[in-house]
Amino acid sequence: EIVMTQSPATLSVSPGERATLSCRASQNVSGDLAWYQQKPGQAPRLLIHGVSATATGIPARFSGSGSGTEFTLTISSLQSEDFATYFCQQYYYWPLTFGGGTKVEIK
Amino acid sequence: QVQLVESGGGVVQPARSLRLSCAASGFTFNKYAMHWVRQAPGKGPEWVGVVSYDGNIQYYRDSLKGRFTISRDNSKNTLYLQMNSLRGEDTAMYYCARQGETTSEYFDFWGQGSLVTVSS
Repeated sequence: EIVMTQSPATLSVSPGERATLSCRASQNVSGDLAWYQQKPGQAPRLLIHGVSATATGIPARFSGSGSGTEFTLTISSLQSEDFATYFCQQYYYWPLTFGGGTKVEIK
Repeated sequence: QVQLVESGGGVVQPARSLRLSCAASGFTFNKYAMHWVRQAPGKGPEWVGVVSYDGNIQYYRDSLKGRFTISRDNSKNTLYLQMNSLRGEDTAMYYCARQGETTSEYFDFWGQGSLVTVSS
């Protein structure tokens, strides 16, 4: 099973600042990497798929990059609604696996 | 708009069974593979399994094979998860999720979840 490791576990950021979240795969997952945002009491919401393709309706301040085993989600200028937990997911191998999440909190 | 609404969760005793349903609307249900994903409190999501668009193929995570069964009724636009021999570690929020593309197993829409608590 591919292990997805996210860092940091918690990221404290001030509104308007840039946030950089990391996701590492235990094996090469090629370009089959997605990012989700989850707020308390809500289901995850797709942000990014295929490493860098932004999902419908997602603001341009969210961007994804990386390849192979190292991936990054960048939020260019944090808005109040962006404080949430973010998960990465690989879909190159079965079983599909998720990271443990990065919680972005207000500094 | 796409809607996925789960139901059937609740408190169940260990070793008992439970069936979850997911009612889909706002899209052509029979054209999409559908997944179940669960999330224990405070943890990351965990993929449970998938059923193909026509219901003929299912994949599960190995640890659940033989206990969990995914099926669908395309005439009713409904997805199911049959869970047998439930254990404490099956306690989680269970989400149904639509697969984003035919050959890419990410999830573009999720339901609001159905909470399953396994406890005596």
